[in-house]
Amino acid sequence: GQQLNQSPQSMFIQEGEDVSMNCTSSSIFNTWLWYKQEPGEGPVLLIALYKAGELTSNGRLTAQFGITRKDSFLNISASIPSDVGIYFCAGRNSGGSNYKLTFGKGTLLTVNP
Amino acid sequence: DSGVTQTPKHLITATGQRVTLRCSPRSGDLSVYWYQQSLDQGLQFLIQYYNGEERAKGNILERFSAQQFPDLHSELNLSSLELGDSALYFCASSVTSGKTDTQYFGPGTRLTVL
Repeated sequence: GQQLNQSPQSMFIQEGEDVSMNCTSSSIFNTWLWYKQEPGEGPVLLIALYKAGELTSNGRLTAQFGITRKDSFLNISASIPSDVGIYFCAGRNSGGSNYKLTFGKGTLLTVNP
Repeated sequence: DSGVTQTPKHLITATGQRVTLRCSPRSGDLSVYWYQQSLDQGLQFLIQYYNGEERAKGNILERFSAQQFPDLHSELNLSSLELGDSALYFCASSVTSGKTDTQYFGPGTRLTVL
């Protein structure tokens, strides 16, 4: 089946630093999504990307849909302590009527104040 | 708060038992998705229902089943439980099931099988 490789697995950074994480896939996706999960909560959608090459921002977050449609990255600028959490990429294709999401294993982000 | 509710929040049971997890989607959402999250497998899609009918199946075991009721809430039934079924189970909902639909996740049910 489809697999997403997300890296890095974890990051420990100082407040104010920029962060970059990425996902690569063995196959093409039509949609890339980035979610954040905090302890005891379900994933929350941060950014959705629907076209190859698309670059989208949400506050200090910026994500891009790779032109090969097999990768995506997420950047967080000027990190703050509340950015702590696990960030997941997810890909979705539209094979028939199946719009299921395939998730990466996540990047655990720790921000040191 | 995503608007998706799941009960119970925690569930502890023994091997061989059967449990039912419940999900209420956001008001107006017709699609419900179930996911399993474990440390080794990450978030895995199990099954999707749309307006009461099964729409898509993922890595769902035969011991697991789900349904969506006329009021659109959904239940995930897990039977003959094994230690390896211990995980977080998330429900998500979306308005329809289109490719641009945002899936909103509930807070999850943590299942522990002893």
